[in-house]
Amino acid sequence: SQQGEEDPQALSIQEGENATMNCSYKTSINNLQWYRQNSGRGLVHLILIRSNEREKHSGRLRVTLDTSKKSSSLLITASRAADTASYFCATDEGSQGNLIFGKGTKLSVKP
Amino acid sequence: SQTIHQWPATLVQPVGSPLSLECTVEGTSNPNLYWYRQAAGRGLQLLFYSVGIGQISSEVPQNLSASRPQDRQFILSSKKLLLSDSGFYLCAWSVLAVTDTQYFGPGTRLTVL
Repeated sequence: SQQGEEDPQALSIQEGENATMNCSYKTSINNLQWYRQNSGRGLVHLILIRSNEREKHSGRLRVTLDTSKKSSSLLITASRAADTASYFCATDEGSQGNLIFGKGTKLSVKP
Repeated sequence: SQTIHQWPATLVQPVGSPLSLECTVEGTSNPNLYWYRQAAGRGLQLLFYSVGIGQISSEVPQNLSASRPQDRQFILSSKKLLLSDSGFYLCAWSVLAVTDTQYFGPGTRLTVL
């Protein structure tokens, strides 16, 4: 199956800085989603962006989608220690139309 | 509001023993249900999904099976566990298409020894 790939695999920043994570995929999609996972917990949906959208905001989160480059980015502004988690992108590239998750970016925000 | 439950939270089982993990959803009807496995430091691998009672789709061949005996109940089973079955198992649900937003349970940490 095709799979979204996040970049970087790990990111360490100081509180107050911005964090940018990228996701690339291989085939055409209808939507792309970002999820967050705290260590040892289930995933929490953050934002969904459709293929006809270029940018979407939710609080301190900003997601962009470039379908020509088959890539998306997640920007977290003014990061907090509580943002420490793994972040996954998911695309609807599955062979049965299901979601395919990437391996994630592990974000560490130091106070 | 909708909630999703998984149990047990942690499980340690010997190789060759059977497995049954249960997932239930409250507050919604006819959800799509999913079982994922997450190996340490890895992404999620879709194991099974179901769009209705008795309807199970398998994404990859494996030592596991799934059943949906009731609308909001999804069970993951194995007759004989392998070491490679160790991992973090997550159940999720969605309302509309299988590519819709998914809502995850707290997960079950399975260790096969």
